[in-house]
Amino acid sequence: GAVVSQHPSRVICKSGTSVKIECRSLDFQATTMFWYRQFPKKSLMLMATSNEGSKATYEQGVEKDKFLINHASLTLSTLTVTSAHPEDSSFYICSASPRPDGNQPQHFGDGTRLSIL
Amino acid sequence: KQEVTQIPAALSVPEGENLVLNCSFTDSAIYNLQWFRQDPGKGLTSLLLIQSSQREQTSGRLNASLDKSSGRSTLYIAASQPGDSATYLCAVTYRREGGSEKLVFGKGTKLTVNP
Repeated sequence: GAVVSQHPSRVICKSGTSVKIECRSLDFQATTMFWYRQFPKKSLMLMATSNEGSKATYEQGVEKDKFLINHASLTLSTLTVTSAHPEDSSFYICSASPRPDGNQPQHFGDGTRLSIL
Repeated sequence: KQEVTQIPAALSVPEGENLVLNCSFTDSAIYNLQWFRQDPGKGLTSLLLIQSSQREQTSGRLNASLDKSSGRSTLYIAASQPGDSATYLCAVTYRREGGSEKLVFGKGTKLTVNP
């Protein structure tokens, strides 16, 4: 089945550090990948939709300059949290679909737990 | 604005019991509805996907129903086992202006199956 790999699984770093999270589709090509954020006891919230070869589409309220997304190939999207602060601590999850047309399920990575000290 | 609500927020049952998790959504113009399982600190595993034209889907001990007109879905788990303990998330997919798709999630139901 379709596998999405997310790395790293956990990051602990100091305030002001920039952190890069990778999302890879291992056995399929993904023209579109999605980045979500999950707070404790809250719903997963879509942050942005990452399109291969073009700019990401950000959801309302998500800072583009804070959360940089690059989708340079059909199998890799990266999310960089720039100058991270404690309020950026959260669980970040990516997903990808072989065909983003609503008829194929999105396949999710295992998530990245980001803790900013 | 699409909103997804899951009831109950938490459920604790003895092993072997059959149970039902509920999901409701406010906008019936959906492409599909999915049920996911999330273990603590982990990503999501897709359990069942129901297309908007379908009424139910079954996989093993799991059965999910969809009533699009009333904005409701249920996940039925038969003969529950301790290994079923996890958070179950409901999500609907819909298309926005411009053609992009979006998944909207509920907050989940945390299930504990006691041996």
